[in-house]
Amino acid sequence: DADVTQTPRNRITKTGKRIMLECSQTKGHDRMYWYRQDPGLGLRLIYYSFDVKDINKGEISDGYSVSRQAQAKFSLSLESAIPNQTALYFCATSEPLAGNTDTQYFGPGTRLTVL
Amino acid sequence: AQKVTQAQTEISVVEKEDVTLDCVYETRDTTYYLFWYKQPPSGELVFLIRRNSFDEQNEISGRYSWNFQKSTSSFNFTITASQVVDSAVYFCALSEPGIQKVTFGTGTKLQVIP
Repeated sequence: DADVTQTPRNRITKTGKRIMLECSQTKGHDRMYWYRQDPGLGLRLIYYSFDVKDINKGEISDGYSVSRQAQAKFSLSLESAIPNQTALYFCATSEPLAGNTDTQYFGPGTRLTVL
Repeated sequence: AQKVTQAQTEISVVEKEDVTLDCVYETRDTTYYLFWYKQPPSGELVFLIRRNSFDEQNEISGRYSWNFQKSTSSFNFTITASQVVDSAVYFCALSEPGIQKVTFGTGTKLQVIP
């Protein structure tokens, strides 16, 4: 079984709808992240969480919110989806070793289309 | 601020050719980590390698090799005798412990033609 899972894998929705993307991990990592990938822009960080009580904004958090329900679960919500949020979304986890190496392990991605 | 530049947007090579993917980074920190990830057409992101700033030894893993040069702030990735299965987007990334976040480059799309 995959260590990091994302649901749904694909979603098509309409402008203005509320959408939740879910991420679960069995790696036992404390740190979890949400990224979006757009062609030519690489991966950009939306939110990250270093433990259940710690939530931090990334570089493009506007229009998104997150919830860290447990160590293993980190959800991303689009309160009112808009077309420019059409992208591939990745969840990732990491566990800092000595020196905070932050090797990140990614889920399979969720392809979201907002019409 | 940390920055990762992958100037090569797309590269096409014929199978069995060698190819080098360039990565140049910027950081103010003396302690940092560099990574390469592979994203095949199926879309998942696969971790390939992590290198810390104190270890400038080149690394070889099968047909893959990495050249880390602090003097030029580069961490280049070479695939020897490329194969069609190497076709993917490759991302270079930088992590600074003090910031505790990872910055990704924009990726290089490699197409290996049979």
